[in-house]
Amino acid sequence: QMELVESGGGVVQPGRSLKLSCAASESTFRSYAFHWVRQVPGKGLEWMAIISHDGRDKYYADTVKGRLTISRDNSKNTLFLQMTNLRPEDTALYFCARTWVAAIGTPGAFDIWGQGTLVSVSS
Amino acid sequence: DIQMTQSPSTLSASVGDRVTITCRASQSIDNWLAWYQQKPGKAPKLLMYKASHLENGVPSRFSGSGSGTEFALTISSLQPDDFATYYCQHYYSYSYSFGQGTKLEIK
Repeated sequence: QMELVESGGGVVQPGRSLKLSCAASESTFRSYAFHWVRQVPGKGLEWMAIISHDGRDKYYADTVKGRLTISRDNSKNTLFLQMTNLRPEDTALYFCARTWVAAIGTPGAFDIWGQGTLVSVSS
Repeated sequence: DIQMTQSPSTLSASVGDRVTITCRASQSIDNWLAWYQQKPGKAPKLLMYKASHLENGVPSRFSGSGSGTEFALTISSLQPDDFATYYCQHYYSYSYSFGQGTKLEIK
């Protein structure tokens, strides 16, 4: 079964940028759409963004639209999340998750998750 | 955006109990609903999809029901491994919001 490993988290000052990565263990990576989901410590899950299997289609939650960019490199089996103008309220554990569909418009639950990478925004 | 509301927020129960968690959508989502289990420090785990379909490897004591706006997750006989937080999520119409979670605690 595919495994996902996130990286790139850390402590960053407000207003700065950060790019998270999610490496997949299989080349079937290119066949699926992927999501980013975050979780403030001790709180619930918040969906952030989705990208189609080929990277052509992307969709974002209204709360982060304009500050986040989701992308992928299918040649490297890697998903990315570029975050700009970070705020203290962006402090959270960021998960990547696979959905078993290729296109954004096709409904699919999140069947494989990484363990998350922690982002802390603080001065 | 579609809002998902779970109840209760916390549920205290004993091993062997039958428990039900409910989830309400602010508008109809057909049956595009998933349930996840999350333990402290771990990623969420998919339990159910399409409201009532059991994910591979998930014990049959878990079951899901509902369609439209009202959904439920039932555990028929609680096991020690089941004490965790449960989330519902819809995946309908370019929107993937989660419920606020239900923490299942040992009584």
